[in-house]
Formats: sequence, structure tokens, C-alpha cells
Amino acid sequence: DGGITQSPKYLFRKEGQNVTLSCEQNLNHDAMYWYRQDPGQGLRLIYYSQIVNDFQKGDIAEGYSVSREKKESFPLTVTSAQKNPTAFYLCASSSQQSKSYNEQFFGPGTRLTVL
Amino acid sequence: KNQVEQSPQSLIILEGKNCTLQCNYTVSPFSNLRWYKQDTGRGPVSLTIMTFSENTKSNGRYTATLDADTKQSSLHITASQLSDSASYICVVRDTSGTYKYIFGTGTRLKVLA
Repeated sequence: DGGITQSPKYLFRKEGQNVTLSCEQNLNHDAMYWYRQDPGQGLRLIYYSQIVNDFQKGDIAEGYSVSREKKESFPLTVTSAQKNPTAFYLCASSSQQSKSYNEQFFGPGTRLTVL
Repeated sequence: KNQVEQSPQSLIILEGKNCTLQCNYTVSPFSNLRWYKQDTGRGPVSLTIMTFSENTKSNGRYTATLDADTKQSSLHITASQLSDSASYICVVRDTSGTYKYIFGTGTRLKVLA
């Protein structure tokens, strides 16, 4: 899992609630990413950030929001607007997003279940 | 549409046997191809990274090959161990965008004693 931590490991949410997933890295990486993983599908990009105070939408950003106030932290909020939030969420980081050979390091993941 | 397809979807082998997992992609142009191992309920861990000019890359009992002409890659596992039971994900990074990692759906490998 490298130097990336995610919390909590399991999260339960009632419909209509917002929840925030934590992602912290101590690798001094500039770029951070949030992915969603569903059974039978490849990882899908939600949001990514190249530098502090900057982030861009990925392929499935609707119903999600992020912030990047510190280099080490990239929290993801799953809002009530996300209609099907039950999934496994993975955070990743890499040294420089613009370099093609840079390796992505993944956190251990958070499993979110909507009750 | 850029895609990465993996086969088989799942595979069961006996401990000590070899196996080969396949990855076909349509991503073009691309800069590199990666193989990750993902244990159940955990994050993926990188096994190999190959640029388009590399044909093979090894990491212990794992050997990845790449044929950029046919757009195919394979991951060969030698002398499998119970701990090899996991999902193996092929990822291709295209060069048309600065962030695009295209993920395959993975092959789920089960090694039996």
C-alpha cells in the first residue's frame, strides 16, 4: 500500500447523506487520484489533482466533490446526488502527473455501502 | 474508443503450475503498459511497467511481454504459489491526454493446493 492511507476501511451511509473519504500520502507526490471500482468493471477515474488547490474532473465526477488544500491530502465527498454510490473507492498518487512513466501508488481502499 | 480487454476473466490452477494471462488493447497512441496485482479488498500493487519499445520485463516469478504491433501483452506466472491468488489488472496509459490510465477489468486467479 506504499505511503498512502485511506480511512475508513468500511463506511456505511444512509440515503440522502453526504460522506467524506479520507486519503493521505507521505510520498511527497504532486499528483493524486480518486477511482471507483465496481465488480466486473475496470477502475474509473472520478477526480484527479496535479497540484495543491487545483483539481480536474475525471470520467464519472457527477455526485462527487474533492478538495486539495494540502499536498498530502485529497479527500473525496460522496454527495446525495450520487445515485449509486455503493462501490470500492481507491485513492492513488504519483510523483508527477505529466511524466508518462511515473508509477501510481494505490491506497488500501474504502468500501462504501449505502443502506 | 480506447479499450483494454483481458482474458480469461477467471482462472483456477494448481500450486506449482505456470499460467499466462492476456491483455489486448486498442489504446493509441500509448506510452506504457502496466500490470498490477490486486488482493481482494486491497489496493492494486504494481508488478511491471513497460514502454512501447520494451518487449519483456520480469519481476521475480512474473514476466510480462509486450507486442506493440499486435497490441497484445501477456503476464506469465511461473511456479505459482497460493499467495498468487488475486486479480491481475492490465493498465495502458495513452498519450492523447495527460491523465488517462485505461484499466482492464482484470483476471481473477485462484491457486489451489
